[in-house]
Amino acid sequence: EVQLVESGGGLVQPGGSLRLSCVDSGFTFHNNWMAWVRQAPGKGLEWVANINPDGSAKNHVDSVRGRFTISRDNAKNSLFLQMNSLRVEDTAIYYCAPDRGYNRFDPWGQGTLVTVSS
Amino acid sequence: QSALTQPPSASGSPGQSVTISCTGSSSDVGANNYVSWYQQYPGKAPKLVIYEVTKRPSGVPDRFSGSKSGNTASLTVSGLQAEDEADYYCATYGGRTVFGGGTKLTVL
Repeated sequence: EVQLVESGGGLVQPGGSLRLSCVDSGFTFHNNWMAWVRQAPGKGLEWVANINPDGSAKNHVDSVRGRFTISRDNAKNSLFLQMNSLRVEDTAIYYCAPDRGYNRFDPWGQGTLVTVSS
Repeated sequence: QSALTQPPSASGSPGQSVTISCTGSSSDVGANNYVSWYQQYPGKAPKLVIYEVTKRPSGVPDRFSGSKSGNTASLTVSGLQAEDEADYYCATYGGRTVFGGGTKLTVL
């Protein structure tokens, strides 16, 4: 059974950086596309990025492209999101999930909160 | 690419059926059969309840069903129960994943 645990969130000033991690305790991490989805406080869901099983293909939403980078380490069953040049509008809970294709994200981790504020 | 349009709220009494709509365009909802629906309780992570318009993941009650007509997809919850009170989000694919704004379902 897949269990995902995110970490790395916290309070950071505008312009700062954070690196989020997501560890998958299941046995199929290396076979799955993986994704990050975020949710601003009181708002809806927004797809942020995804990555293919071997890490050779990555996609990012326009609003974070050039600032955020998704990556993975299959040996450690881990997914990452390097976030640079953070903006106030990046404040959100960031969730990781296996991307099983065409909006099928299942299951989700519990999320990690990123707060960008001065 | 704009978010999909959902009604902000919906409600029904226990035992009734409620349908939540999700309206997109011919380039996303109308272009394929890749509509998903997620249930989210306050303070919790979303949970997949419908994928590929009509399919239910293992463990999701058959009270949950999905459909699509043209550019509008729908989630129907039949035999409404108190535990169904939650936020529901649709999602589709039009080059990238796009979510709806969410619908708060209240069980009266």
